[in-house]
Amino acid sequence: QVQLVQSGAEVKKPGASVKVSCKASGYTFSNYDINWLRQATGQGLEWMGWMNPTTGNSVYAQKFQGRVTITRDTSISTAYMELSGLKSEDTAVYYCARGHSLYTNNLYLYYFDSWGQGTLVTVPS
Amino acid sequence: SYELSQPPSMSVSPGQTASLTCSGDELGAKYSCWYQHKPGQSPVLVIYQDNKRPSGIPERFSGFNSGNTATLIIRATQAMDEADYYCQAWDSGTVLFGGGTKLTVL
Repeated sequence: QVQLVQSGAEVKKPGASVKVSCKASGYTFSNYDINWLRQATGQGLEWMGWMNPTTGNSVYAQKFQGRVTITRDTSISTAYMELSGLKSEDTAVYYCARGHSLYTNNLYLYYFDSWGQGTLVTVPS
Repeated sequence: SYELSQPPSMSVSPGQTASLTCSGDELGAKYSCWYQHKPGQSPVLVIYQDNKRPSGIPERFSGFNSGNTATLIIRATQAMDEADYYCQAWDSGTVLFGGGTKLTVL
């Protein structure tokens, strides 16, 4: 079965960077985008960006451009999300998720059919 | 920029039907999907392409999307359905989420 296993919780100082990993199994890693999303305490889900594991190309949400980098190591079916310039507002649970695209009837949908277990990143103020 | 709006909370009695709404300008002209998110767990896709259920999702979950509103319907609601529910769509090259609705079963 599809599994996405993330690295453990992190505590970082303001201004530092954090790098979270996401190891995929149960499917061909290169066949699906890997996405990163987050949820701050008491807030909703927020999409950060995605990466095509085959090409390594990434697209980032405007809010995170310049601060987030998504990379991968195809030899170990693992994706990484690095967020720099951490602020207390970046304290959140970060999820990786497998992206699935659908185009029918001239309509496009992109959705997430499998999620990692989440990684808590804490940035004390 | 495009936005999706959800009521922050709603409650339903066990065995009754819950209808959760998600509003956006001409949302019916886009595909929508829904996620169930319980505390301490990862989100779970419950509806995609407006009304399709992934494998393993009970038939009690259904959806439709028309006009400016997408709706997630949960029939014969059970205590285990208590969770946050998020709608999601795609617009102009970006993923969008609604703010989520906290469903209480009591």
